[in-house]
Parts: sequence; structure tokens; C-alpha cells
Amino acid sequence: GENVEQHPSTLSVQEGDSAVIKCTYSDSASNYFPWYKQELGKRPQLIIDIRSNVGEKKDQRIAVTLNKTAKHFSLHITETQPEDSAVYFCAAVGTSGTYKYIFGTGTRLKVLA
Amino acid sequence: DAEITQSPRHKITETGRQVTLACHQTWNHNNMFWYRQDLGHGLRLIHYSYGVQDTNKGEVSDGYSVSRSNTEDLPLTLESAASSQTSVYFCASSSSLARETQYFGPGTRLLVL
Repeated sequence: GENVEQHPSTLSVQEGDSAVIKCTYSDSASNYFPWYKQELGKRPQLIIDIRSNVGEKKDQRIAVTLNKTAKHFSLHITETQPEDSAVYFCAAVGTSGTYKYIFGTGTRLKVLA
Repeated sequence: DAEITQSPRHKITETGRQVTLACHQTWNHNNMFWYRQDLGHGLRLIHYSYGVQDTNKGEVSDGYSVSRSNTEDLPLTLESAASSQTSVYFCASSSSLARETQYFGPGTRLLVL
């Protein structure tokens, strides 16, 4: 069935360093890829998304890249800060049909001060 | 402000009891979704609805049901609660104009004893 693999499951970086989280999806019909940030005890919140007709998108310190041929997409956070510590989820969505999200299993990011 | 709410936020129940979790949104979104979140599994889709009187099963629908009698609400019912249904439950919604972008409620933490 459809699935999204997300790596790594945990990631620790020093404050100011960059963090990269990678996802691989199986459904070639997927054409929308959102990233959510979830702080402890809170709801997932959309931080950035990318559509299949774009290879890269940036928003201040975060960026997402997409390689449709390889079915890979990645989240990049530069100049990490302690408040970036959270669990990050990627998802793949097929917008031609049901708009169902297939989520990755999450990455717990710890930014060490 | 428009929003999406869930109630109760915390619930303890016993095995075999029927439990209903409420989800209410004031964005007038046609699309509503229920997920459960468990460690190691990320977010998994239980049921979803694209409008009044429409309901669909997700990947983990066994033991759950939903009904959609109006646009604002999608209650989730556990017919006979089981310990395996101990989880955090999130409701989400999206509009018809931007169906791919889902916004999440604050979650309900359910413990089945």
C-alpha cells in the first residue's frame, strides 16, 4: 500500500547548525507535500508545503526540496534555535482523488543550546 | 475567529463502553478528518468526510464510526472501547477551495482501562 518513510527518527543538533529531515513516498500520484511541526502536547501545525510542479520552496529559515523522479522530499532548517525543538511530520497527498494524507512516522528534533 | 475545537480534551473510560469524541469547526469547511496518533506510527487516518451525509473509512477504521449531519461537526464514536484504542485523537478540516491543506484541532487524549 501507500506509505511514506521518514528519516531520521531522532535528530540532535547544536544551536545555529542546520537540520535536514528526509522523506520518501511510494505513490507516484502524490503531488502535494506538507510539513507539520508538533510541539509537546500541541496540535500539528503546517509550517511549509510544496507542490509537484516546484522543486524547492523557502520561507525564512526553512526550505523544502522535492525530487519527483526519486520520490524524495526533504525539510531543511538553517540556523536552528531552541524553539525549533519539536516533532516534525512529512506527508504525501494525492490531490487528484481523495486528498488523503499519508504521514511519515515523525522526526524528533532537539536543538541543543 | 474561526477555529476547530475538540471535546473532551481528556477522557478516561473502561473497556466495552461507548465513547464519542466531538469535533467542531467554524470555518465552513466541507472536508473533515479523524486521525489517531501513537508512538512509532505517526498519524493514521480513521475516517473522513467530504460533506454532509458523506463518510469514508480510512486505514484504521475498525471499531470506529462517524456521522456527518451538518457542515460543522464530525463526531467520532468508539462503539465498544478497547485498550488498543488508547491514543491521542486529532480532528482536521480543509476547505473545498484548498482541499489539500488540512488544519488540526487541539486533540483528545483517550485512556481506555
